[in-house]
Amino acid sequence: KAGVTQTPRYLIKTRGQQVTLSCSPISGHRSVSWYQQTPGQGLQFLFEYFSETQRNKGNFPGRFSGRQFSNSRSEMNVSTLELGDSALYLCASSIRSDGELFFGEGSRLTVL
Amino acid sequence: AQSVTQPDIHITVSEGASLELRCNYSYGATPYLFWYVQSPGQGLQLLLKYFSGDTLVQGIKGFEAEFKRSQSSFNLRKPSVHWSDAAEYFCAVGAAQAGTALIFGKGTTLSVSS
Repeated sequence: KAGVTQTPRYLIKTRGQQVTLSCSPISGHRSVSWYQQTPGQGLQFLFEYFSETQRNKGNFPGRFSGRQFSNSRSEMNVSTLELGDSALYLCASSIRSDGELFFGEGSRLTVL
Repeated sequence: AQSVTQPDIHITVSEGASLELRCNYSYGATPYLFWYVQSPGQGLQLLLKYFSGDTLVQGIKGFEAEFKRSQSSFNLRKPSVHWSDAAEYFCAVGAAQAGTALIFGKGTTLSVSS
């Protein structure tokens, strides 16, 4: 069974640009969550999507958004990038929308 | 405020020695508790979880953890550490109503010496 797949793995952007990250969950998992990981703030919850609906949202500005498609694949978008958005963005899927999460390897975003 | 504290930023253990990683939490609701492990350049992998019931839970790779409600702790243990256990370990807390919105500790980096 394939794991959670995130693309791209690495990307570099400049301030003010926007970025879209993609996540394909484990087959059969309808819940997809996104986390931001930075050295200073650690792992922080961004949002969760379940059956194409945002179920929960963390404390991030509106520049951070996401969506989920009918095949459970999810994308997150960050607009007007800031230097502080440099981070590892982790996607996780779940069968039961609980804390038992299966993580992808992440997309490492560098903002210059 | 809801939080998870992992007091030890970095621990070094000799191969074959026992390990205990500490985790304390503050959470308003009945907590779900987790330990995840992250190897360099990788995502996180679930080691074990506690939802309810027996307070001593077994996980993968020979790890176990004990939930102590009175101490608000969920410490991770392993009787004999292997060099491949070197990684960063994260304790996390959630709840039924929180879904997948976990609160993570800052992590403990484990080094294993030969």
